[in-house]
Amino acid sequence: DIQMTQSPSLLSASVGDRVTLSCKASQNIYKYLNWYQQKLGEAPKLLIYYTNSLQTGIPSRFSGSGSGTDYTLTISSLQPEDVATYFCQQYNSWPLTFGSGTKLEIK
Amino acid sequence: EVQLVESGGGLVQPGRSLKFSCAASGFTFSDYAMAWVRQAPKKGLEWVATIIYDGSSTYYRDSVKGRFTISRDNAKSTLYLQMDSLRSEDTATYYCARHVNRYNYDYFDYWGQGVMVTVSS
Repeated sequence: DIQMTQSPSLLSASVGDRVTLSCKASQNIYKYLNWYQQKLGEAPKLLIYYTNSLQTGIPSRFSGSGSGTDYTLTISSLQPEDVATYFCQQYNSWPLTFGSGTKLEIK
Repeated sequence: EVQLVESGGGLVQPGRSLKFSCAASGFTFSDYAMAWVRQAPKKGLEWVATIIYDGSSTYYRDSVKGRFTISRDNAKSTLYLQMDSLRSEDTATYYCARHVNRYNYDYFDYWGQGVMVTVSS
């Protein structure tokens, strides 16, 4: 199975900050990488698919990048409603696997 | 509006069975693969199973293979998960999700609200 490692596990930042979340795969996943946002008590929501494609309806302050084994989710200007846990997920091979998440808080 | 509504969770003893469903609306159910993804309390997400649009192929994670069965009824726009020989480690919230798989894309774009399953004696 491909292991997905996210860092940091907890991130505290101020409103308006540029925030970068990292996701590292245990092997090359050829950009087959998605990002989800999960707010407390809610189901996950798709943010980014295929590394850098923004899902319909997601604000443009969210962006994704990366290749090979290393990927990032960037929030260009953190907003209070972005408080959530963020998960990356690979689909290069079965079983589909998720990272353990980065919990994002407002400082 | 796409909606996925799960029902049928609950408390069940180890070794017993449970089946729950996910009613879909707002899209042509028979055009899409569907999946179950679970989340143990205060843990991360774990893909469980996927069934393709017509039900002819299914995929499972190893830890549930032979114990869980994903199925669908396209006439009723409903997805099912039959869980047998339940273990304590199956305790989780189970989400139904629409599974888009085409070209270079493979993602879960709509999710239900989740159904809680607790396996305990």
